[in-house]
Parts: sequence; C-alpha cells; structure tokens
Amino acid sequence: DTAVSQTPKYLVTQMGNDKSIKCEQNLGHDTMYWYKQDSKKFLKIMFSYNNKELIINETVPNRFSPKSPDKAHLNLHINSLELGDSAVYFCASSQDPENTEAFFGQGTRLTVV
Amino acid sequence: AQSVSQHNHHVILSEAASLELGCNYSYGGTVNLFWYVQYPGQHLQLLLKYFSGDPLVKGIKGFEAEFIKSKFSFNLRKPSVQWSDTAEYFCAVNRIYNQGGKLIFGQGTELSVKP
Repeated sequence: DTAVSQTPKYLVTQMGNDKSIKCEQNLGHDTMYWYKQDSKKFLKIMFSYNNKELIINETVPNRFSPKSPDKAHLNLHINSLELGDSAVYFCASSQDPENTEAFFGQGTRLTVV
Repeated sequence: AQSVSQHNHHVILSEAASLELGCNYSYGGTVNLFWYVQYPGQHLQLLLKYFSGDPLVKGIKGFEAEFIKSKFSFNLRKPSVQWSDTAEYFCAVNRIYNQGGKLIFGQGTELSVKP
C-alpha cells in the first residue's frame, strides 16, 4: 500500500538508449512531480503536472518527456541517454499545486554507462 | 531568483547533543516551508511543515522548527539527537500562488551522529 511508487528502483543502461521510469500514487492527489537528485544530493524540480496537465517544465532537455495518462500516474521517458543523466529521479505527489506537502517515491537510481 | 541556503554542509554530533540546522530563503512573498529527511538509501520523508499560524512547529521524531519571518529563516532543532537521526536533511520552500507546487530545496545538510 505504498503511497507513491516508482519502478524500477535501479536502472543501468548504455549511452544512447531510451528508457522509461513509471510512477503511480494512490493518495488521490491532483498534482505530481519529477525531481532530479544529482551526485551532490541537490534536488531540483523537472516537471509538475496537475490533473494530467503540464504546469511546470523547468528547462529540462527535450530528451525528457513526461506523460500523465491519468492523474494517478506520471511516467518519465528519456531518449538518447547521456552520461550526465545519471542521477536519482524522484516522483512525488501533492494534494494540489497550492498544498505542497509533497509525498515522495523511493527514487530510481539511473546509471548511464 | 529564489534560493534556499542551508548553512552547514556536514554536521557531526555525539548522541544526546542538541541540534540546530540553519535554513534561509531569499523570497519575500508568502511561502510554505518544509524540512525533509532522507535516511541513507531512502526517499525523502516530511519532518515538519509551516503554512501559517504558530511560527514554532513541531514535527515527527522530536524535531521542531521556528519560522522567523523578519530573518527569512526556518531553522530545524532537536534537543537531543540519536544515532538513528543520521541522515541528510533538506530545507525546502514553496512560493504559493501559481507556482505549480514547485519546491525549491536547499543543498542539504548531512548529519552524522556518533554513538
């Protein structure tokens, strides 16, 4: 009964490949997010969706494409992976964009080799 | 641009010592404030939050934080730390109104508690 779940937990792939990370929340929240945590543990928002609509795109390269089939799911597809994409990607959700007590998933550690 | 600054990169304490982690933010408007904790290899968990009201907020595991508006600060405190408090601590700020729920995080403070 995990509130925010993401898969896979670990992902090792070669440069140039395309990969996806899936996220699901069972909290009934309207807003979902993707955050990136770099090797220095700095967290930065990438995208925010509210009721399946994109509301934040934080100057992320076009190779990253989020998709929200419904408000409980927010997937992240990454094309042409680069070494610099190696990081931990966290999915999160909140009740709405103003009530920003965000609940985070377990994270996906992406390693590009 | 809005920023969040945490004063200490790495804090090392002995068990039972008192803890205070500093956090300052640069935005002058209305904000929501948070402290998150990340235990080794785990996801972020909310320790406490401030939206409005009493500026002294209490969170889980004996943590508290005080919002001082005039100083743009939201420092985290615990009177007596335990070994199990070893973790990374993140201060975060959200500007309300049409910001899409974006949390701006500080750079994190690594807390190491020695038994």
